Amino acid sequence: DGGITQSPKYLFRKEGQNVTLSCEQNLNHDAMYWYRQDPGQGLRLIYYSQIVNDFQKGDIAEGYSVSREKKESFPLTVTSAQKNPTAFYLCASKSGTGAYEQYFGPGTRLTVT
Amino acid sequence: AQSVTQLDSHVSVSEGTPVLLRCNYSSSYSPSLFWYVQHPNKGLQLLLKYTSAATLVKGINGFEAEFKKSETSFHLTKPSAHMSDAAEYFCVVPDTGRRALTFGSGTRLQVQP
Repeated sequence: DGGITQSPKYLFRKEGQNVTLSCEQNLNHDAMYWYRQDPGQGLRLIYYSQIVNDFQKGDIAEGYSVSREKKESFPLTVTSAQKNPTAFYLCASKSGTGAYEQYFGPGTRLTVT
Repeated sequence: AQSVTQLDSHVSVSEGTPVLLRCNYSSSYSPSLFWYVQHPNKGLQLLLKYTSAATLVKGINGFEAEFKKSETSFHLTKPSAHMSDAAEYFCVVPDTGRRALTFGSGTRLQVQP
């Protein structure tokens, strides 16, 4: 079955540690996205990538980093510079055609204490 | 930039009664518009999309939305709520510049037995 997988589902880290969230898709989609979700704020765009080896900052990129070495994979690193990292993180992908709708993974809930 | 405003943060209905979730959009032209649904601790699922082909759009699980240009609205409706409809619903508009999505703040739908 085609889809997007995110792992792990729950992640706990101590303050000051970097942590990497995994996102893999087998939909053969060109574009991939990372969103952050906080209660009552909808989803905010962190980073996005339209093609392999290229990515751009979204609205809240500070304290985050990404890579896009393979079409299928778009990992997100939450660095110690991110002041409020506890949140629900969602990865999405989209085909390279004119359609705008995105397909979402199940999300990773990160808790930093 | 295009944006959407969801007029209610919480909506509570009784099972079997109609559902109305309100969304207004801001755009200088007729945009594409989407409704996504998110069940607790899950990813987002596309409920329906408007792409100017028809103003009344039917989606999954009995939901539909009507695009009204004169009112700049795209309200989501369902004739009869089911307990399984309890979720968070997002009205979404494309960010054409970045080929990403811009989300409303969400409406949490509660369905009372």
